Amino acid sequence: SQQGEEDPQALSIQEGENATMNCSYKTSINNLQWYRQNSGRGLVHLILIRSNEREKHSGRLRVTLDTSKKSSSLLITASRAADTASYFCATLHYNTDKLIFGTGTRLQVFP
Amino acid sequence: DAMVIQNPRYQVTQFGKPVTLSCSQTLNHNVMYWYQQKSSQAPKLLFHYYDKDFNNEADTPDNFQSRRPNTSFCFLDIRSPGLGDAAMYLCATSRVWGRNNSPLHFGNGTRLTVT
Repeated sequence: SQQGEEDPQALSIQEGENATMNCSYKTSINNLQWYRQNSGRGLVHLILIRSNEREKHSGRLRVTLDTSKKSSSLLITASRAADTASYFCATLHYNTDKLIFGTGTRLQVFP
Repeated sequence: DAMVIQNPRYQVTQFGKPVTLSCSQTLNHNVMYWYQQKSSQAPKLLFHYYDKDFNNEADTPDNFQSRRPNTSFCFLDIRSPGLGDAAMYLCATSRVWGRNNSPLHFGNGTRLTVT
């Protein structure tokens, strides 16, 4: 399977703490994207990092990409209760141009 | 606001009874996708349209069909739903396909229950 895997599967933290989620994948990619999904809703695009980039920031989000290790991480700083959601990485595969989603991390932020 | 709209939000159908889910977009995007997402799992791509060009995933069951009559609308037809087809169905769009780094815009999904 080309599907990526995310770690941890679930994460519980207090408001104000940082949350780090990791994504590993198996094949060569063009880019890697992170999405958020609130319970029972669609996915919302957060950030895209190209295969030739190593780090990207957007507000409280920081994404890193290590293509040699085929891994990425998403850091949410100063988390808020409203950040409670599932977070998915998605990789755009080099050979097929298809966007394949990982298994997701369920983040719970307690007030 | 430009967006992707899915109707209905919840759909209940009987085992074997055909059902159609709809998706519309005001983004004027070229590509429309249908994903299936079962509980606590990753969204799984069923098929996509690039304009009128239909692209089926190899492992999408024949039970699933799609129509895109124009740029704005796309339909998912499930000809004979089984209990295993109960899932959230997500429609998404993107401006272009593939390596042009175009993110996906999702609707809020239709949750299908099969009784």
